[in-house]
Amino acid sequence: TAGITQAPTSQILAAGRSMTLRCTQDMRHNAMYWYRQDLGLGLRLIHYSNTAGTTGKGEVPDGYSVSRANTDDFPLTLASAVPSQTSVYFCASSDSGQGVYNEQFFGPGTRLTVL
Amino acid sequence: LAKTTQPISMDSYEGQEVNITCSHNNIATNDYITWYQQFPSQGPRFIIQGYKTKVTNEVASLFIPADRKSSTLSLPRVSLSDTAVYYCLVGALPLSGGYNKLIFGAGTRLAVHP
Repeated sequence: TAGITQAPTSQILAAGRSMTLRCTQDMRHNAMYWYRQDLGLGLRLIHYSNTAGTTGKGEVPDGYSVSRANTDDFPLTLASAVPSQTSVYFCASSDSGQGVYNEQFFGPGTRLTVL
Repeated sequence: LAKTTQPISMDSYEGQEVNITCSHNNIATNDYITWYQQFPSQGPRFIIQGYKTKVTNEVASLFIPADRKSSTLSLPRVSLSDTAVYYCLVGALPLSGGYNKLIFGAGTRLAVHP
């Protein structure tokens, strides 16, 4: 199985432009997450979704929006990008109803540069 | 909400045991402690998770004292391929409306030398 796929792998974006980062999982996990990773700061949670049709704000949600129309997809949208959104973005999923309570499965990441 | 503190970096040699400690003084009653490993240009990968006492799996052990204010990841007989960044995560899933943080530490960069 592919697990979690993210697209694009990398992107250079002009400030003020919008962009959607795509995330798809094939594990039928009910929960999905978006993180950003900046040098020296570890991973910070942007938004999450416990189940299709619901979303919630994480630690750093400003400037980002998400939707969860179905179980498999969890796109992250930057409506008007700013240079401080330059980061590596990771999508993750978890099936917190079974197995290890806190195990999240991460995608390969999208490296975004906003100029 | 729990904040985690880890050493920034550690060095070891092949075949040695490595212990990485994470402090989480404000851990909540329903929080679990989870450790992830991350290689360059990859997403983090789950290593081990626990709530209290000791947990062991095929790759690591996790020691959690009774007060749960810290935890120690133990990697037995490390090899060069264990060179990576290790993250301590404190939190509970599923996330609820009043608990919107999964607290990752800044990570410990482990370098294993021949």
